[in-house]
Amino acid sequence: AQTVTQSQPEMSVQEAETVTLSCTYDTSESDYYLFWYKQPPSRQMILVIRQEAYKQQNATENRFSVNFQKAAKSFSLKISDSQLGDAAMYFCASQGGSEKLVFGKGTKLTVNP
Amino acid sequence: KAGVTQTPRYLIKTRGQQVTLSCSPISGHRSVSWYQQTPGQGLQFLFEYFSETQRNKGNFPGRFSGRQFSNSRSEMNVSTLELGDSALYLCASSPGDRGGNEQFFGPGTRLTVL
Repeated sequence: AQTVTQSQPEMSVQEAETVTLSCTYDTSESDYYLFWYKQPPSRQMILVIRQEAYKQQNATENRFSVNFQKAAKSFSLKISDSQLGDAAMYFCASQGGSEKLVFGKGTKLTVNP
Repeated sequence: KAGVTQTPRYLIKTRGQQVTLSCSPISGHRSVSWYQQTPGQGLQFLFEYFSETQRNKGNFPGRFSGRQFSNSRSEMNVSTLELGDSALYLCASSPGDRGGNEQFFGPGTRLTVL
């Protein structure tokens, strides 16, 4: 079974600052993938960043990067130079052995001008 | 490429009725997954279809069913609706040919059960 835990229901950040969203997971799969998805108020869920568990190098996508600590089963998301458009619900998710995504409860990010 | 589309976008039903939701995946994608999103339970996996076969199933009662057509379009059916079925239903598509594929989500269908 897989579980994903996001311990921060809400976070806020000042525009242009950096924020880190936390995520821990548990899985019995040896081969798995981790994702951060963003769901803006319009509700369309979009992929922010993806990490293959067998890769030690942390994934990076422009202003978004992850800190993947496999032994600790931790997968945090860092957003640099935060922009107003980054305001959204952020979901951490794991996937192993099938297309099924297991999501955390989400973190609501507010970006203050 | 056109994105994932879901119809209808909004639905209002009463308890005991049944409902059918539709999802058209991105062209070339053979896997369609369905998720239920509620404030209390968050995002929960319903089932996944690949090449017209249910490949994975979540922990939902038999009132929730689905199917996939040869063009990969998928439908989800909920019978004997209950108040607790009120939710945003999201579908997601992916190529489905290997693990770790990005799943592309549709805008969702907002179902309200009165």
